[in-house]
Amino acid sequence: QLQLQESGPGLVKPSETLSLTCSVSGGSISSNLYYWGWIRQSSGKGLEWIGTIYYSGSTSYNPSLKSRVTISIDTSKNQFSLKLNSVTAADTAVYYCARRIGSYARQIDYWGQGTLVTVSS
Amino acid sequence: DIQMTQSPSSLYASVGDRVTITCRASQTVTSYLNWYQQKPGKAPKLLIYAASSFQTGVPSRFSGSGSGTDFTLTISSLQPEDFATYYCQQSYSSPHTFGQGTKLEIK
Repeated sequence: QLQLQESGPGLVKPSETLSLTCSVSGGSISSNLYYWGWIRQSSGKGLEWIGTIYYSGSTSYNPSLKSRVTISIDTSKNQFSLKLNSVTAADTAVYYCARRIGSYARQIDYWGQGTLVTVSS
Repeated sequence: DIQMTQSPSSLYASVGDRVTITCRASQTVTSYLNWYQQKPGKAPKLLIYAASSFQTGVPSRFSGSGSGTDFTLTISSLQPEDFATYYCQQSYSSPHTFGQGTKLEIK
């Protein structure tokens, strides 16, 4: 059974960089069948797709966040990561990592449990 | 970005009721429409993909229909475990946007 687990600081200061890692177990992140991504959920904006990465390193970002986001992948560790810089209180949210099917419906079939990140001084 | 609008935003129903949730896209998403269920404190769970295909393990009382811009999720006979928030998501074009959610509550 595939499992995804987010890790990283739960509190980030304004203007600093939010960094999260997603560890994948029960399956290989190097599969050419899937994309790996980040979604966040805040009370103000609901569910927001942040971006995805393919095992090759190819990325796709939400244009609204593109200037501040970097998603990277480490196939040797079966992990992928999110960096969001210059954070403000508006970036406070529960951040989920997820697996997206690479073809057909492109649905998200596995999610991590989510981690709350609060931006505050 | 494609805007996804769900209606209603909240819905009160009883066990055994048949309920329908609607999702409308601001432009065509063909059949690239997925439905998720979320319970408090949990991650969303995939129910339906490609507008009408069942995710493995999802009870048959859930069904999805539609294409283009208008879609529905129907629960044929509500069970106590179905009280949750439901989201649609288009995966036709990036960014893959979500609806604002429909909260299904016990009457």
